This record gives sequence, C-alpha cells and structure tokens, in this order.
Amino acid sequence: DQQVKQNSPSLSVQEGRISILNCDYTNSMFDYFLWYKKYPAEGPTFLISISSIKDKNEDGRFTVFLNKSAKHLSLHIVPSQPGDSAVYFCAASVNYKLSFGAGTTVTVRA
Amino acid sequence: KAGVTQTPRYLIKTRGQQVTLSCSPISGHRSVSWYQQTPGQGLQFLFEYFSETQRNKGNFPGRFSGRQFSNSRSEMNVSTLELGDSALYLCASSLDPGGSYEQYFGPGTRLTVT
Repeated sequence: DQQVKQNSPSLSVQEGRISILNCDYTNSMFDYFLWYKKYPAEGPTFLISISSIKDKNEDGRFTVFLNKSAKHLSLHIVPSQPGDSAVYFCAASVNYKLSFGAGTTVTVRA
Repeated sequence: KAGVTQTPRYLIKTRGQQVTLSCSPISGHRSVSWYQQTPGQGLQFLFEYFSETQRNKGNFPGRFSGRQFSNSRSEMNVSTLELGDSALYLCASSLDPGGSYEQYFGPGTRLTVT
C-alpha cells in the first residue's frame, strides 16, 4: 500500500525557472515530511523538511508547502540550476518509520 | 565527521544463497534504518534499529532480518535469495528519530541475484 505518492515520474525545467514537485499522501497520522535528493550511485541526501504543524518552510532556494486538508505537499526550487538535476523523493514519517514516494526525476535544461 | 558507510558496495549472489550487508552509522547516531530500492518502487522500508532493538519493521518476508550491535553498527541478512531481491539496499542513520527525522544515507549496496 503506497501511502506516499509522487504522480509525476519526471520533470523538465529550464535553468533559472521554478521547479515544482508534488507529493500526495494518504495517512493522516504522518507528522513530519521530508524531501530528499538522489544522484546516481549515491545515497539520498536530505534537502528540507516540514512538521505537520506548519504549512511552509523555506531554506534558500528550496521551499516546501504542506496542505494538510488536501494531504498534499510540494517542493519549490527557484531558480533551478543544472546541479539540481537528480531524483527527488518525498517522504513522510510516523512512529520512527519513513515512507517514501517513488521519486521524480528532474532535468534542468540549459 | 565521517558519513554512513556500507560494505560491500557491490555484490553478486546466486539464487538460494544468503547474504549479509553491513552498515556503520555516523558517529553518535543511535538509530539505523534499512531500505530497499528497486526501479519504479522508490525506497521501501525494511526495518529500524535503536539501541540494539528492532523498533519498527516494514512489510518484508522473514527472509530479511537484521541486527544492531552495541556500537550502533548494523547488519542486514537475506536468506534464500530470490531473483526479485536484486536491488540497491540503503542504510540510513539518525541521532534519534524522536528528536530529528532527518536520516543520513549511505551510498548503498548493489545486490544482484542471478
């Protein structure tokens, strides 16, 4: 049962523009949400997180938005840079357990 | 501070064999989690250990097992390997999920079952 879903397997964006990645979840008990970035042959690296009691968290070029009523979160990257090309995973946590989405491959075009 | 290390990085085994993977967490981290990544499936949670105790378990068959040592190092074992066990196995550590949900991942062990 996939509790965290990333419905867009890929995203292509022009350098300098905004990248918007979306994630939906079904378990209302999730209390923490995270985004990870993964390059080939490396483990995922933590990007940004948000507690369920907040609706927005910002860190430099990265902003995560949480809409609890819609069970939806999104990651905004602005401006997008070539080094942002990677696979992005959305994750949600409850009781020490992280559930991950299937990932979205982002390609930033020059 | 050194990151999470996993050994070996690559492994080829035959169906029916068993395999043991090792993970050394970041110094001071007491929680270790294991994940399986296969194409199109994202990361599937296997189990999480904290202070040598399995605190949480995913939906995997009993052929998948693990343990954690007093120095927080962890091992994962898969017995009676099947072709479908071919995957990237990732280990992640954190200080304590109760305080921080940020997990730090190792590079993974690529297991191929033939």
